[in-house]
Amino acid sequence: QKEVEQNSGPLSVPEGAIASLNCTYSDRGSQSFFWYRQYSGKSPELIMFIYSNGDKEDGRFTAQLNKASQYVSLLIRDSQPSDSATYLCAVPFSGGYNKLIFGAGTRLAVHP
Amino acid sequence: DVKVTQSSRYLVKRTGEKVFLECVQDMDHENMFWYRQDPGLGLRLIYFSYDVKMKEKGDIPEGYSVSREKKERFSLILESASTNQTSMYLCASSPLAGNAGEQFFGPGTRLTVL
Repeated sequence: QKEVEQNSGPLSVPEGAIASLNCTYSDRGSQSFFWYRQYSGKSPELIMFIYSNGDKEDGRFTAQLNKASQYVSLLIRDSQPSDSATYLCAVPFSGGYNKLIFGAGTRLAVHP
Repeated sequence: DVKVTQSSRYLVKRTGEKVFLECVQDMDHENMFWYRQDPGLGLRLIYFSYDVKMKEKGDIPEGYSVSREKKERFSLILESASTNQTSMYLCASSPLAGNAGEQFFGPGTRLTVL
């Protein structure tokens, strides 16, 4: 069974700082990685995905993948209070059907 | 926009009752999923379906069954509700083709079993 591990937090950062969220996974064969954001009382939504080693940037968000070390990170630059949410890391199940294995999520709190 | 709807936002049932949770998606997606979400445990997959009348067990299927008679509708059934099934239930859908990791979630049903 694949495992996806995240620090549950809360990770507390001041407004304007860089928030760094980390995720490790157990299956060396994993090829793609997904970050979902879930606001309190809401359902998850996809915000980033990454397939290749290195960095992928989208606005204030950067996903970083290191397959050799089996970790994937999400950096949020210039953090805003509106970024306060739980961030879920997900890895596709190798059996297909677009099935995902989710981490338990890291709660981020951005304070003014 | 993709829309996934769930029949109830909040539901309160008694132990032993049969409970039906309905999910409907309007984007002609092949795959549909039922998760439960509990604090500290994240999203756990109960069942999924990749086609009409097809279903596969997820990680925690015990105590649950599902039905998919039409492509757009995926139902989760608790045959005899128990207090340990109190949870947030989330339905999701995704297309067969396209981004393998993008699932679209419904708003969730918070079920309380007394």
